[in-house]
Amino acid sequence: DTAVSQTPKYLVTQMGNDKSIKCEQNLGHDTMYWYKQDSKKFLKIMFSYNNKELIINETVPNRFSPKSPDKAHLNLHINSLELGDSAVYFCASSQDGSGGQETQYFGPGTRLLVL
Amino acid sequence: GNSVTQMEGPVTLSEEAFLTINCTYTATGYPSLFWYVQYPGEGLQLLLKATKADDKGSNKGFEATYRKETTSFHLEKGSVQVSDSAVYFCALSDRSNYQLIWGAGTKLIIKP
Repeated sequence: DTAVSQTPKYLVTQMGNDKSIKCEQNLGHDTMYWYKQDSKKFLKIMFSYNNKELIINETVPNRFSPKSPDKAHLNLHINSLELGDSAVYFCASSQDGSGGQETQYFGPGTRLLVL
Repeated sequence: GNSVTQMEGPVTLSEEAFLTINCTYTATGYPSLFWYVQYPGEGLQLLLKATKADDKGSNKGFEATYRKETTSFHLEKGSVQVSDSAVYFCALSDRSNYQLIWGAGTKLIIKP
């Protein structure tokens, strides 16, 4: 029944490691997003894919690389993790990418802690 | 550019109090406006939205009216409950960039 799912829910790792977060949606949506939420709850868009095509690529370090194998999945790979990467990462999806008009459905988040 | 400004939190109220969380925006064109809610430990979910001027969005006792003349979309509820404790985000659609522009979020704490 889960609409947007993310794995893992919690991720604790050492600086310098490489890690991936996976996201899947079963809503049949065309557009998926990755957001970063910091400790003050501020939400920042990182990437967006529409039908496997990158449409939003905000200013994030190139250590972050999204990958969309199909329109139901959007994974996030992070190389050489840094302390400042500690945050909650949310995946979301919407029916299409029509200028943000559509409701976005969020996953439960992945809580990343870099030690 | 487009932007959203929300009142700073936390906002602390007693149960059954009246709630207003202010949201103002700057935008070109005619954006849609949204309120999302994030309960503790969860992802965000849509609370309500309005797509044109003078529209009123409503859900779960919450209301917000799209006021173009004051560029505002304030969230209101007549009688809050402890279960309304959450972080509330105001957002507007930015057609040119295919994304939502988010406010900073307002944490609401309701005490019994």
